[in-house]
Amino acid sequence: GIQVEQSPPDLILQEGANSTLRCNFSDSVNNLQWFHQNPWGQLINLFYIPSGTKQNGRLSATTVATERYSLLYISSSQTTDSGVYFCAVEPERGSTLGRLYFGRGTQLTVWP
Amino acid sequence: SQTIHQWPATLVQPVGSPLSLECTVEGTSNPNLYWYRQAAGRGLQLLFYSVGIGQISSEVPQNLSASRPQDRQFILSSKKLLLSDSGFYLCAGGEAGQYFGPGTRLLVL
Repeated sequence: GIQVEQSPPDLILQEGANSTLRCNFSDSVNNLQWFHQNPWGQLINLFYIPSGTKQNGRLSATTVATERYSLLYISSSQTTDSGVYFCAVEPERGSTLGRLYFGRGTQLTVWP
Repeated sequence: SQTIHQWPATLVQPVGSPLSLECTVEGTSNPNLYWYRQAAGRGLQLLFYSVGIGQISSEVPQNLSASRPQDRQFILSSKKLLLSDSGFYLCAGGEAGQYFGPGTRLLVL
């Protein structure tokens, strides 16, 4: 199946700092999503972004489908940004509709 | 948008006991539904997914089974739990699997 690699695996920031999380994938995709899992385990969809750039407040994401990577930018980080960030993709070929493949995530810790 | 409901939030079960976890969806009809397990160390493992009533696809052969008796209901079951079944179980739904429930933490002792 498709491979999804996220980097860095762990990231520690001071409040107010900016960061970039990366997701590489090994094949063409129909669907790419970024999720945030809070310390209580709840996963929230941040972006649905198979290509292009989107922004939502302090967060933005860019997917370059032709080069098979996506970036999640967090600006002016806050302690509430802490948690695990997952990238998930739906392959274009050889997969049942809606089946997502997740990366192993980036654990972000923001200190006050 | 859709809301995914799961219960219970936490469950402690003895080895060999049965299991039934329920997931229901609010706000849509005929959603794609998914069961994931997340062990310590972050990775999400897809267990089952369903594109309609009675249609279940299994990703990993194991001690668990799933059923979809109604359009917006997805049930994860086991006849006899193993220690290795411990973990955090997440139900997800939506045409792109983008909505997640709050999860059930299962500890098998």
